[in-house]
Amino acid sequence: QQPVQSPQAVILREGEDAVINCSSSKALYSVHWYRQKHGEAPVFLMILLKGGEQKGHEKISASFNEKKQQSSLYLTASQLSYSGTYFCGTDGETSGSRLTFGEGTQLTVNP
Amino acid sequence: DVKVTQSSRYLVKRTGEKVFLECVQDMDHENMFWYRQDPGLGLRLIYFSYDVKMKEKGDIPEGYSVSREKKERFSLILESASTNQTSMYLCASSLGFEAFFGQGTRLTVV
Repeated sequence: QQPVQSPQAVILREGEDAVINCSSSKALYSVHWYRQKHGEAPVFLMILLKGGEQKGHEKISASFNEKKQQSSLYLTASQLSYSGTYFCGTDGETSGSRLTFGEGTQLTVNP
Repeated sequence: DVKVTQSSRYLVKRTGEKVFLECVQDMDHENMFWYRQDPGLGLRLIYFSYDVKMKEKGDIPEGYSVSREKKERFSLILESASTNQTSMYLCASSLGFEAFFGQGTRLTVV
């Protein structure tokens, strides 16, 4: 079952902040975040593991609330290069094998 | 440099044809995935495999099957292609953390 993302789309001016949310109806082992630029393959940004460990991007941060089965991606002082579609991915409760993605959030950063 | 290679970028097939989409990874990853991407629907998981000859259904397996005879290769099979299978198909591989995606195959069924 796909996680649910919000908002569906965001338009920002360079330097503004944005938050993208991801929620799941099932218990999660980890939450993954990916960005896909137009015409390209999705690229890994970050993973948040049960227990609080986080691996990923130096300029983008995220949180993972295990009890609420929710994650949020924080993009601060956005740059033009942040434009793209952001996907959150979730996997099974006990392993990292089954990776299921949400519908995506389209982020546009304008000058 | 890590690599996931899909055999075709663009493919046009006729309704009823049997279609094979091939994916090869060179990272010795255990997990491999097939997704389809449609506007507004995100990346939907069709099938995944966590080992050679092992496979599990994803969220939308109907009309598809898969084969993984070797660790590096994961094939998606459309038994009898239909127009509603026109889509972008993405293959990915992972060891459990970062997943690497191929460039995608845009399949058109006419």
